[in-house]
Order: sequence, then C-alpha cells, then structure tokens
Amino acid sequence: DAGVIQSPRHEVTEMGQEVTLRCKPISGHNSLFWYRQTMMRGLELLIYFNNNVPIDDSGMPEDRFSAKMPNASFSTLKIQPSEPRDSAVYFCASSTGTGYSYEQYFGPGTRLTVT
Amino acid sequence: AQKVTQAQTEISVVEKEDVTLDCVYETRDTTYYLFWYKQPPSGELVFLIRRNSFDEQNEISGRYSWNFQKSTSSFNFTITASQVVDSAVYFCALSEAYSGAGSYQLTFGKGTKLSVIP
Repeated sequence: DAGVIQSPRHEVTEMGQEVTLRCKPISGHNSLFWYRQTMMRGLELLIYFNNNVPIDDSGMPEDRFSAKMPNASFSTLKIQPSEPRDSAVYFCASSTGTGYSYEQYFGPGTRLTVT
Repeated sequence: AQKVTQAQTEISVVEKEDVTLDCVYETRDTTYYLFWYKQPPSGELVFLIRRNSFDEQNEISGRYSWNFQKSTSSFNFTITASQVVDSAVYFCALSEAYSGAGSYQLTFGKGTKLSVIP
C-alpha cells in the first residue's frame, strides 16, 4: 500500500521564483496536513484540510504561501515569490477522521533551498 | 497555549543500554492526545504511539515502552537494549481540540537526537 507521496523530493530555486510542492495522501484518508521543518523552529503545522476543505491555516507564514486541495487525492503548497528564509523541509501528512485524535502518516518530505 | 518540552537535545548510548527520552507537556484541556514519532536519518517521520488523556496505562511494544503520568504531565519513552537502528530524532507531540469548527492544534517538541554507538 503506497504511503504519502510528495514531489519533488528536492527543489533548488532562486529568490523570487514560484515554487509548487505536491502531495498525494494515502487513499481513504480525509485529513491532510502541511508542515515545515527547520533547525531553528522545528516542526510547524502550516495548514490542515479536512475533506478537501481548509480548516486551519493559521500556521501559514504570510500571503506568499497558499495551499489547495482540489480533490481527495491531491494537494499543493505554493510559495510565490520565494525567499531564502523559506528554505526548509516541507512535509505532507494524512490521517483518517478529523485528525484530532488520529496518528498522521508523513511523506518523505521536500527539501527546498532558495538561493 | 499548549507546549511540549523535550529537555534532552541529544543523547548518546552504547548499544544494548536502556535509554529514556523525556517529554513534558502543558495543556489546559482535559481531553488531549499524545504521540511519539521517530525521524531516522532518511528524514521521514514515523508514527510510534498515540495515547489519549484518559488512558494512563503504560504501554509496551517489543523493546519500546511508554510511561504516561498525568500528575507530572509527562509521557516518557524508554528503549530497552538499544540498537544502532534506533538512532534517530524522536519527537513527542500533543494534540488538543479547540473551537467547534473541527480545527485543532498539534504541537511537536523540539525532538531528542538519539545516537546508539556500536
């Protein structure tokens, strides 16, 4: 059974460019999460979808970040324009139920470097 | 606001030693969930255990055991007879509900890096 799939695994881009990260959750899971991991701030929840609807985006750092989930099997996290301080590993995770009490299954992450 | 503290930043042990990773949490909710995740050098996060606030029974899974104590707000993780493959960063996390909109907050600790030396 396939786990959470993320692409690309690595992304190097120049400041000012648009970056799109992609995620395919585990089939049957109805909650999806985007996280960012840095040495300084650790793991931060950016946004949480339930049944394709954004429930909580309070963790999204600023308007340069946006996330969509057009259907149950696909989500994107877009950064436009990107800045060096956006360099981090971005994880997508999915879970069953509302996500409150259920364990999350993480993808392998996308390592983003903005130069 | 909820908070998770993993005071041990890094721990090194020799293979076959037992090791305990500490986790202390803060929450105002009476209903909450605690989790442990493992992040091996390959980078992905792997779920290890979930525990709800109403179940204080300790849990054992092979060489892994967890001690949940509400009185001290702690959820500690012990690895018995550690192995090199246990080398990873271990994260404790706390999840609680807020508002009626189904939104919730999941807070991770900073993690403890465990190195098991052969």
